[in-house]
Amino acid sequence: QQQVKQSPQSLIVQKGGISIINCAYENTAFDYFPWYQQFPGKGPALLIAIRPDVSEKKEGRFTISFNKSAKQFSLHIMDSQPGDSATYFCAASISPWGFGNVLHCGSGTQVIVLP
Amino acid sequence: GAGVSQSPRYKVAKRGQDVALRCDPISGHVSLFWYQQALGQGPEFLTYFQNEAQLDKSGLPSDRFFAERPEGSVSTLKIQRTQQEDSAVYLCASSYGTSGTGELFFGEGSRLTVL
Repeated sequence: QQQVKQSPQSLIVQKGGISIINCAYENTAFDYFPWYQQFPGKGPALLIAIRPDVSEKKEGRFTISFNKSAKQFSLHIMDSQPGDSATYFCAASISPWGFGNVLHCGSGTQVIVLP
Repeated sequence: GAGVSQSPRYKVAKRGQDVALRCDPISGHVSLFWYQQALGQGPEFLTYFQNEAQLDKSGLPSDRFFAERPEGSVSTLKIQRTQQEDSAVYLCASSYGTSGTGELFFGEGSRLTVL
């Protein structure tokens, strides 16, 4: 079964607006939560990641909010730009990485930022 | 090279044909992963190598799928007797270490279409 559930499937936002993508997980052993950005025809690229010992992490216009008790985390894209138009995946993984960084990915959210 | 290189980028196969997909990871990266990404979905784990050892192949969907990394660098994913449901993008990813917060670097993928 899918271990990480992601919503919405797609969203459209005006330039300058805020994009919000939500993810939920069940396995409490997960302790690493990355977000990946993927442009058409390209592989996913790490955007930002968080561990459950903090509730928020911000890098530039991108912020992850993490709610450990609810087993939910979300990505906020502030001041969205047309160049942010891409598919975003949340993921979860378990440390230590002895068996590799096996990522359990959400189904993806296609973000379209209108100019 | 500077990144993870995959070839071919596109492959069209007739049902029943065998295909081989190649991954050239970032030089010095110990860990190598294969993921399968169906259209409109997130990547799903197939298999993991630490150097030449295949430590986890739990994600391989059937015994028609086989992966190897004989010298601990280049890896090949082979699919025998391809079926239409094998149509997907096959992503290779590598990371430097086997523990810690080693970032995964993805290739651009090999898009397989089975007719």
